[in-house]
Amino acid sequence: GAGVSQSPSNKVTEKGKDVELRCDPISGHTALYWYRQRLGQGLEFLIYFQGNSAPDKSGLPSDRFSAERTGESVSTLTIQRTQQEDSAVYLCASSFSRGAQETQYFGPGTRLLVL
Amino acid sequence: GENVEQHPSTLSVQEGDSAVIKCTYSDSASNYFPWYKQELGKGPQLIIDIRSNVGEKKDQRIAVTLNKTAKHFSLHITETQPEDSAVYFCAASRFGGMRFGAGTRLTVKP
Repeated sequence: GAGVSQSPSNKVTEKGKDVELRCDPISGHTALYWYRQRLGQGLEFLIYFQGNSAPDKSGLPSDRFSAERTGESVSTLTIQRTQQEDSAVYLCASSFSRGAQETQYFGPGTRLLVL
Repeated sequence: GENVEQHPSTLSVQEGDSAVIKCTYSDSASNYFPWYKQELGKGPQLIIDIRSNVGEKKDQRIAVTLNKTAKHFSLHITETQPEDSAVYFCAASRFGGMRFGAGTRLTVKP
């Protein structure tokens, strides 16, 4: 079946502009995660959604970052007033639920470059 | 919170040799340990996982071992092939979230 999809695949923007990244999780997956991956680095947790529960925003690096999710479907990650240090790959993952032993399935990522 | 350390950061082996990547974790409540492979320009893909009630799991050329007492787990790749070249991430999960290691860049030389 279809996996996690993300759009756009690449985004180049100017410092100070806002960007919006989109994630379509696997159908039926109630949990959705956003991660940031800087060049050559590991995965940095940003935010997590589980059904109608309040999102876990503990990983968001600043108030310029926000995310929304409509029910158990699409999520958007918004970065306002982008800075050069925001340049990274933004990965989305989904899992069936947020149980401790649930596998997360990743999308291909959005490569963001802030000039 | 959970802290996952992964070693080595880079690993280069000759085709046909074995490769071993090791991870340690800090939270004894972690009970699920997946391994992901990330090829250039792609998202991480699950290659094998192990749950806390199992000490070892094997899938063809890939195996994972878990030592809960010592809080470490390892990925073993035998008979390496050039297409195994990628970045490998370990992770440890407990209720409340999954934390990833920093990654190991594996290069298999033909």
